[in-house]
Amino acid sequence: DIQMTQSPSTLAAFVGDRVTITCRTSQRISGWLAWYQHHPGKAPKLLIYKASTLESGVPSRFSGSASGTEFTLTISSLQPDDSATYYCQQYYTYPWTFGQGTKVEI
Amino acid sequence: EVQVVESGGGLVQPGRSLRLSCTVSGFTFRAYAMSWFRQAPGKGLEWVGFIRSRAYDVTTEYAASVQGRFSISRDDSRSIAYLQMNSLETEDTAVYYCSRVNDILTGYPSDYWGQGTLVTVSS
Repeated sequence: DIQMTQSPSTLAAFVGDRVTITCRTSQRISGWLAWYQHHPGKAPKLLIYKASTLESGVPSRFSGSASGTEFTLTISSLQPDDSATYYCQQYYTYPWTFGQGTKVEI
Repeated sequence: EVQVVESGGGLVQPGRSLRLSCTVSGFTFRAYAMSWFRQAPGKGLEWVGFIRSRAYDVTTEYAASVQGRFSISRDDSRSIAYLQMNSLETEDTAVYYCSRVNDILTGYPSDYWGQGTLVTVSS
């Protein structure tokens, strides 16, 4: 199975801050990585797929990048509604696997 | 508007069975693969399984933790995907989510998700 190492597990930042979350995979996945935002009790929301493609309707302050087996989600200017847990997921091979999650607090 | 709604959760004793339903609207269900995920209390997201469309022979994939106990099926005439869960264990306690898989062959993963249904396995 492909192991996903996501960091940090939690972070606290101010409105307007630039925030970065990192996900490392145990093997190359050809960029087949997604980032999801999850508010408690709500449906997970797709933000980024194929490492850097912004899902339709997602604010442009969210962006994704990749370098080898390291993937990054950046929120350029943190907003109050961005308080949530963020997960990376590889879908290159089965079983699909997730990072442990990053809880973002405002 | 795309809608994905899970139902069928509840309290069940260890060793018993339960079937979850995922009812969708707003898109052509038969053209899409569907996937199930879960989140145990205090834990992160976990992939459970996946069912392809009829164009790909309605084949399935499962996580090792549920292989042989869980099965996914679909009724294209009713736009419903099912998760049949047998031999339930306390470790299966979780919120179960259903999602549409947009086009996995081109790298477009689960885009629409439901809000989940809670399954509690306890005596």
